[in-house]
Amino acid sequence: GEDVEQSLFLSVREGDSSVINCTYTDSSSTYLYWYKQEPGAGLQLLTYIFSNMDMKQDQRLTVLLNKKDKHLSLRIADTQTGDSAIYFCAESIRDYKLSFGAGTTVTVRA
Amino acid sequence: DGGITQSPKYLFRKEGQNVTLSCEQNLNHDAMYWYRQDPGQGLRLIYYSQIVNDFQKGDIAEGYSVSREKKESFPLTVTSAQKNPTAFYLCASSRTDYGYTFGSGTRLTVV
Repeated sequence: GEDVEQSLFLSVREGDSSVINCTYTDSSSTYLYWYKQEPGAGLQLLTYIFSNMDMKQDQRLTVLLNKKDKHLSLRIADTQTGDSAIYFCAESIRDYKLSFGAGTTVTVRA
Repeated sequence: DGGITQSPKYLFRKEGQNVTLSCEQNLNHDAMYWYRQDPGQGLRLIYYSQIVNDFQKGDIAEGYSVSREKKESFPLTVTSAQKNPTAFYLCASSRTDYGYTFGSGTRLTVV
């Protein structure tokens, strides 16, 4: 089946690290993605990881993939107020479609 | 600059009325998608199209219709058969397996 699960809310203090977790079900997924959505806007691709990788780092973002447990995480270092948004995890399924989680709302407090 | 444009940004529909949401892309992407977003429910796929003149139903196609007469355009019509159309609608496009590019969305409200 196709079911991506994420926790719904995360509150983090400015300057701390944020970790957003996601589990997926399709072991044949080629790519896994993280998207960011700011209020009233569309989704912006933050980063992605190919399924044969364990980790990918891109500036303040670190993606970890545990394929055995079908677990994906996004770590944001030195979280800033501009990081407050909804973060979506997505997996590629058949026919190049993506299956999205419900989104994690990240709130950064001073 | 290449991108994907949705219009209008806000749309109001009266009961029993059909409305059409526009989605245009100049990224030369083959595939296009329509999603509906409701609070706390993530994104649900309405329709998608992988080539011109062909499209498939997604998970919640009832009450919606689409056309794909040109590669650049994938309009969505919300018909009167859709009983609860108030939502945020997102259009996306992609080339093969490289993630989606999203438009900025249309917020539809029934008045």
